[in-house]
Amino acid sequence: EDKVVQSPLSLVVHEGDTVTLNCSYEVTNFRSLLWYKQEKKAPTFLFMLTSSGIEKKSGRLSSILDKKELSSILNITATQTGDSAIYLCAVLLYSGAGSYQLTFGKGTKLSVIP
Amino acid sequence: DTAVSQTPKYLVTQMGNDKSIKCEQNLGHDTMYWYKQDSKKFLKIMFSYNNKELIINETVPNRFSPKSPDKAHLNLHINSLELGDSAVYFCASSPPGYSGNTIYFGEGSWLTVV
Repeated sequence: EDKVVQSPLSLVVHEGDTVTLNCSYEVTNFRSLLWYKQEKKAPTFLFMLTSSGIEKKSGRLSSILDKKELSSILNITATQTGDSAIYLCAVLLYSGAGSYQLTFGKGTKLSVIP
Repeated sequence: DTAVSQTPKYLVTQMGNDKSIKCEQNLGHDTMYWYKQDSKKFLKIMFSYNNKELIINETVPNRFSPKSPDKAHLNLHINSLELGDSAVYFCASSPPGYSGNTIYFGEGSWLTVV
């Protein structure tokens, strides 16, 4: 069975702190790993990582994939209260007949307090 | 224009009822999905469907059935609703081939079974 495991499950930090969220996976037919941010509605896309060792950055967020270790990290520097959300890691898998699907981890709930 | 739209957004219904959630995408995508997000925020694939094949997650009870009248629609029909069906149901779509950042989610349908 395909598995995506995130840690920690929840995290409380103060504004200005730097956080690292972890994601590991054991899957078949891996294509890429994605990070999403979910506040009150649907997940919103952050990053897609396909190649190992290449960091993707967007503002204070960055992420990198390690295909040898089957894992990824999401870093957030200088956290703000607006970063409070659930961060979801998902692995894109080939599911046959030209279809792909995302298998999600259980998420890390990040709370940033002023 | 909303890319992936779901209706209803909120639904409260009694145990034993049969209900449907509709999903439409105007992106011309070939593949559509239904995900269930439970109270612990775990997003799990239920179905993926394209022109050729329906792929069912084997853990989904057969009370749940997807119905696709055409390529732009994938409705979710649920028979004999149970309390444990209460969750947020997300529809999503993606184009042929793979590109994880082109999986688009609807805004979710909040189902409460009482």
